[in-house]
Amino acid sequence: QKEVEQDPGPLSVPEGAIVSLNCTYSNSAFQYFMWYRQYSRKGPELLMYTYSSGNKEDGRFTAQVDKSSKYISLFIRDSQPSDSATYLCAMTGETSGSRLTFGEGTQLTVNP
Amino acid sequence: KAGVTQTPRYLIKTRGQQVTLSCSPISGHRSVSWYQQTPGQGLQFLFEYFSETQRNKGNFPGRFSGRQFSNSRSEMNVSTLELGDSALYLCASSLQNSPLHFGNGTRLTVT
Repeated sequence: QKEVEQDPGPLSVPEGAIVSLNCTYSNSAFQYFMWYRQYSRKGPELLMYTYSSGNKEDGRFTAQVDKSSKYISLFIRDSQPSDSATYLCAMTGETSGSRLTFGEGTQLTVNP
Repeated sequence: KAGVTQTPRYLIKTRGQQVTLSCSPISGHRSVSWYQQTPGQGLQFLFEYFSETQRNKGNFPGRFSGRQFSNSRSEMNVSTLELGDSALYLCASSLQNSPLHFGNGTRLTVT
């Protein structure tokens, strides 16, 4: 079983929809949680970075971490066609440094 | 501020050859990490360098190696290439205890 599970999709939504992306994990040592967005032929771009449990909002994006359930989410409000990309969750522990464990990514398409 | 720069962007090699990939981190970032991305395995950690020392290593064979120079630039080398080494190789840099910032990768194709 993988340490981080993420539904690969694909997920297709109309413009303006609220998108919910999720990951579950099994390693209780994970403390830092990230969401990256990756466009085709590009590297992953950091969207959100959170420590431990709680919510964090940045513009149209909200990240939630529930460590008790080992579940993290990314919400995108008022989705735009430019949000069409692959979204990757990633996480690491206090002593793992730059060794991130990634989900396999969810491919999102926002239709105009 | 310039982002992480990786060269070359694309590379085609044949089995048995070796390859060297280069990465220039964001200015001021001393930590450089390398990842392999494939459709089947996703993103997998290769190794991390900090101040010219390897600080962490993933579960890859010894054919995969790297180094970091005094200016924080890094190279990774893959010897005796196999077909399964075809992948997007991503370099990321960061400040101490900060999130990673990735380059656009080097697409390696082994024929």
